[in-house]
Amino acid sequence: IVLTQSPGTLSLSPGDRATLSCRASQSVDNNYIAWYQQKPGRAPSLLIYGASRRATDVPDRFSGSGSGTDFTLTISRLEPEDFAVYYCQHYGSSPGYTFGQGTKLEIK
Amino acid sequence: QVQLVESGGDLVKPGGSLRLSCAASGFSFSDYYMAWIRQAPGKGLEWLAYISRDSTYINYAASLKGRFTISRDNAKRSLYLQMNGLRVEDTAVYYCARDHRSGYHLSWGQGTPVTVSS
Repeated sequence: IVLTQSPGTLSLSPGDRATLSCRASQSVDNNYIAWYQQKPGRAPSLLIYGASRRATDVPDRFSGSGSGTDFTLTISRLEPEDFAVYYCQHYGSSPGYTFGQGTKLEIK
Repeated sequence: QVQLVESGGDLVKPGGSLRLSCAASGFSFSDYYMAWIRQAPGKGLEWLAYISRDSTYINYAASLKGRFTISRDNAKRSLYLQMNGLRVEDTAVYYCARDHRSGYHLSWGQGTPVTVSS
């Protein structure tokens, strides 16, 4: 499965709503899509799994949705610390797990 | 708290070998699948391999073409990645991760850099 994220870069202001897209080349079983956040010089961290389930300690301004081939990460009201790169990932099936190419969320 | 600490990254010549280690603490290591992921400079994430709790199930990215081997030692709470036939394009930061059994990465180490250059 190939994952295509859009846009490549998203320029928004604190307080704005962010909508990030992840499209799969074929239908994803069990909605096995995860989202990760990566800040510069840091390891990624898990935000969302199962397309819509927030990981432990993730603020509720982060939400995931979607099914089939189209998935979305929404950040309802951007905080300064949310500006980072976001990756979606398909997991749970052979031959292997794949990441999207990432969306950079930058301050406008 | 959960800690994953990678080590073993180095500068190596093309064709060389390297063994990465990941020391785990703060959780029951033998209860979790583990994985390796890498990130080339300025690029995105690339999943490499996972290993099941008792090493029964192992899966690799097709792109590795048998050059890398994942293993673990539950008694030592350690995960390993043996890398052979290294190429310039293997230059990256290598992360180990603690996985949910379904495959998503619950927590990540800080990464260890590998540079392949003559």
